[in-house]
Formats: sequence, structure tokens, C-alpha cells
Amino acid sequence: EDKVVQSPLSLVVHEGDTVTLNCSYEVTNFRSLLWYKQEKKAPTFLFMLTSSGIEKKSGRLSSILDKKELSSILNITATQTGDSAIYLCAVEAGNAGNMLTFGGGTRLMVKP
Amino acid sequence: NAGVMQNPRHLVRRRGQEARLRCSPVKGHSHVYWYRQLPEEGLKFMVYLQKENIIDESGMPKERFSAEFPKEGPSILRIQQVVRGDSAAYFCASSPLLTGGNYTFGSGTRLTVV
Repeated sequence: EDKVVQSPLSLVVHEGDTVTLNCSYEVTNFRSLLWYKQEKKAPTFLFMLTSSGIEKKSGRLSSILDKKELSSILNITATQTGDSAIYLCAVEAGNAGNMLTFGGGTRLMVKP
Repeated sequence: NAGVMQNPRHLVRRRGQEARLRCSPVKGHSHVYWYRQLPEEGLKFMVYLQKENIIDESGMPKERFSAEFPKEGPSILRIQQVVRGDSAAYFCASSPLLTGGNYTFGSGTRLTVV
């Protein structure tokens, strides 16, 4: 059974701090790893990673995939209160069609 | 270009009633997925559909749950004889045929069974 595990479960930081969120996976026929941000509603897309070692960057957020270690990290620098959310990691895998296996999420709270 | 539309946003049902959740995908997306999110947990895959076809329902309970995506109209997730344990947020996503990671999620339907 495909499995995705995120850590930490939750994190409380102050504005300006840098955070690193972790995602590890055990899946058959890995295709891609996706990060989403969820703020009380629909998960919104952040990054898709398919190749190891290539950093994806968007403003203060960046992410990288390590296929050897079967893991990914999501970094947020100079955090702001608006970064408070649940961050979800999902893996697209398998031959039988499109579906995502999600981790349990990391709940990030950024205090002023 | 509207995103994925789900309705209702909130649904309250008494035990034993039926819940019917609707999802209209992004225009041009031919694939629909349903996920369930229990409190304090991640999203769990339930079912993957194309128009008039169920492609994978491996995540859906065998009893009381069914899903369809008819030729015309929205995708429907139906839960018969609801129980308290069905209380959750149900998210729908859609994608084109070749996803390229291009999954768009709706805002979800929060089902509460009382």
C-alpha cells in the first residue's frame, strides 16, 4: 500500500522565522510529488516535483525532491502570519490511473 | 474560467438519511476524483471517474457509498443511510487527461451527521 508521511505534525513559529517541512514516501511506480497549502478550504497547488535535486522556487517558498531518500522538503523563509495553514504533501504513483496519496499534513502557525 | 464547484458547502443529515454531494469540474477537465478528509487528517482517495465510467473505486467503502459522473451534469457522490462516522469534509478534484500535476480542488462539502 502506498504511504506518505509528513513531519512535524504541527509547528508554531514567529514571523520572520524559517521553517522546513518534511515529506517521505513509499510508493510503487513514483510519478510526481506535489505540495499543497490548505487554509480552511480547497487545497491550493504550490509545487510539483518529478526530478531529484532540482529546486523549485516561488517567492519565499522552495521545495526539492530526493528520490534516493524518497523524500522532499518544503522551505518557507521569512515567514508571515499569512503562511499559517496546513501544508499537504501528495504523491502521484502507480500505473492504474491518476490518483494522489496524501500525507497527514503539517499544521503551521505563524505568530506575529 | 471557473474552478471546481462543489455544493452544498455544508450538509447536515440525520443518521439513516441519504447525503448527495455534487461536483462540477473545471471546464475541459474530463477526470474527477473524490477525497475524504477526517478532522486532523490528510485527504484519503475514494474514487476516480471519467464521464460515464468509474476508473478506480478502491478507496470507497463497498457499502452505502456510490459515485457517478454522467454524460451531462455534475459528478455525484451518494452516501446512503449515513452514520456518524461519515462526518467529514469531502473534496472533489478534476484534471485533464494528462494531469501533469494539474489537479484543481473544489472547496469541499462538509458533511455533519447528527
